[in-house]
Amino acid sequence: GIQVEQSPPDLILQEGANSTLRCNFSDSVNNLQWFHQNPWGQLINLFYIPSGTKQNGRLSATTVATERYSLLYISSSQTTDSGVYFCAVDDDYKLSFGAGTTVTVRA
Amino acid sequence: DGGITQSPKYLFRKEGQNVTLSCEQNLNHDAMYWYRQDPGQGLRLIYYSQIVNDFQKGDIAEGYSVSREKKESFPLTVTSAQKNPTAFYLCASSIKHNNQPQHFGDGTRLSIL
Repeated sequence: GIQVEQSPPDLILQEGANSTLRCNFSDSVNNLQWFHQNPWGQLINLFYIPSGTKQNGRLSATTVATERYSLLYISSSQTTDSGVYFCAVDDDYKLSFGAGTTVTVRA
Repeated sequence: DGGITQSPKYLFRKEGQNVTLSCEQNLNHDAMYWYRQDPGQGLRLIYYSQIVNDFQKGDIAEGYSVSREKKESFPLTVTSAQKNPTAFYLCASSIKHNNQPQHFGDGTRLSIL
């Protein structure tokens, strides 16, 4: 199956700071999704981004499919951005998930 | 509101007992999935279904069973054969199998008494 690696594993930010999360994957993919899992366990779709760049408010994502990586940018972070961010790619019939990046935003 | 509803939110199982987790969607999605999440880890696929009356094993199907009698419903049974069932279970659906974004329910936390 496809291997998905996320970095860094943990990130502590001061409110208002910017950050970049990275996702590397081991094979070509047709689907890549970024999710935010909040402290209650809800998994929220952030982006469906197999290639290119998308923006949604303070969040944006870029996937360079030919180089097998994706980046998630958080700008002007807020305490509500805390949680775990997962990258997942299609692996035949399933999504293969990375281990996640745990983000803590301090006021 | 369209979405995926999982119930219950919390479930406790006694040793040797089977329990069933419910997943219902009103998004008219063809494909449905069950994932398991252990603490500090990503999600792993248990079972998936592309159409009614058809389902396939995922990576960690042992000790679990599913049915897909209706398009809207994909219940997961955790059997007594599953020796380590304590986990967070997430159901997902997508328009069709493969290459389409998956949307997730809020999950069920299962614990052993």
